[in-house]
Amino acid sequence: QSVLTQPPSVSGAPGRRVTISCTGSSSNIGAGFDVHWYQQLPGTAPKLLIYGNNHRPSGVPDRFSGSKSGTSASLAITGLQAEDEADYYCQSYDSSLSHWVFGGGTKLTVL
Amino acid sequence: EVQLVQSGAEVKMSGESLRISCKGFGYSFISYWIGWVRQMPGKGLEWMGIIYPADSETRYSPSLHGQVSISADRSIRTAYLQWSSLKASDTAMYYCARLGIGTRGDLSFYASDIWGQGTMVTVSS
Repeated sequence: QSVLTQPPSVSGAPGRRVTISCTGSSSNIGAGFDVHWYQQLPGTAPKLLIYGNNHRPSGVPDRFSGSKSGTSASLAITGLQAEDEADYYCQSYDSSLSHWVFGGGTKLTVL
Repeated sequence: EVQLVQSGAEVKMSGESLRISCKGFGYSFISYWIGWVRQMPGKGLEWMGIIYPADSETRYSPSLHGQVSISADRSIRTAYLQWSSLKASDTAMYYCARLGIGTRGDLSFYASDIWGQGTMVTVSS
């Protein structure tokens, strides 16, 4: 059971928009800690997609965006492409554990 | 190029010891915390712990504390993850990652911007 809760899977057709939610609690997201998002393509290491809730590292397309409200955060992907098919993980810091935590991951399928 | 390069895959027997490594290139190795992340077969990512190579200050995940040891040798820009007695349940891919970017100076707000390629550890019982 992960500290941060994500849906196991989402799907969308090419060109469409999908969102992935990440629900936490008052000891992590709700406490004001930032949420970061990672993309893990099959058989590869994770890659940072969004940091600090809504900041994109250099090289990440603006089709990817992040938001945060209360004890939850979301990753939105617009203009879905086949190469977006991957696992996506949210991450934050938990003050009760005094450590960093990941969500359980969401598998995105492009139909 | 900024990168983290990990040691190769390992196949071990239950009860054996093991140390895997993560070497930094292209940046000031002692200036950034390095974390270790476990990914068991078909499962998600789990933080194991982090280390600051400048002084080897270490912080472990409560769920894994005592099961592994994290260390670093700043002179050769390398961080390590070590087991004294492996179990079959340690079979996993292990990644190192640099906590290198954040919106505030507080480490708790940092994200992992650079990742190693991963080291697969297989433990047979």
